[in-house]
Amino acid sequence: NAGVMQNPRHLVRRRGQEARLRCSPMKGHSHVYWYRQLPEEGLKFMVYLQKENIIDESGMPKERFSAEFPKEGPSILRIQQVVRGDSAAYFCASSPVQGDTEAFFGQGTRLTVV
Amino acid sequence: AQKVTQAQTEISVVEKEDVTLDCVYETRDTTYYLFWYKQPPSGELVFLIRRNSFDEQNEISGRYSWNFQKSTSSFNFTITASQVVDSAVYFCASGGGADGLTFGKGTHLIIQP
Repeated sequence: NAGVMQNPRHLVRRRGQEARLRCSPMKGHSHVYWYRQLPEEGLKFMVYLQKENIIDESGMPKERFSAEFPKEGPSILRIQQVVRGDSAAYFCASSPVQGDTEAFFGQGTRLTVV
Repeated sequence: AQKVTQAQTEISVVEKEDVTLDCVYETRDTTYYLFWYKQPPSGELVFLIRRNSFDEQNEISGRYSWNFQKSTSSFNFTITASQVVDSAVYFCASGGGADGLTFGKGTHLIIQP
């Protein structure tokens, strides 16, 4: 039973490019959470999604960031026109039901903006 | 709103010493969960424990133990007979609802041989 899979593990983008981060939840999990970890900081909640629905995006920056979790395929966190301040580790977690935050985390995607 | 405070930014001990990592939380929820995670230098997050707010029993798992004190809103983590492999950043977190987990800023634990 594979865990939460995130890819790529490392991503380098130039300022102004787009970054796409993918998260495949554990089998049977239909709830996905995205977190951002800035250097030397703890993780900060960004968005909570169920299949085809955004449930809570209170932690998402208002501009350039978007997330989706389609009926088929992985959840995608998309950052448009990246800036240096977007450099961080982005973690995805999944759970089988809402609130059951045993929170199985992926290994993270480390985004570096140059 | 929830808040988790890990006042110890960094702790350094010599191998085989016992060490306690502090965690204080704030929440208005009557039901909540508390968590500890380990982040080794490789960067992944390793789940260590989840504790329900209704269960104040202390828990022991090998060299790890957790002390949950609702009266002081604390959920401290103790490593007994520390080993070099315990060196990592440890995060305390609270949550359980639709708004995900709230993490502390982490405690960097250094175990010296």
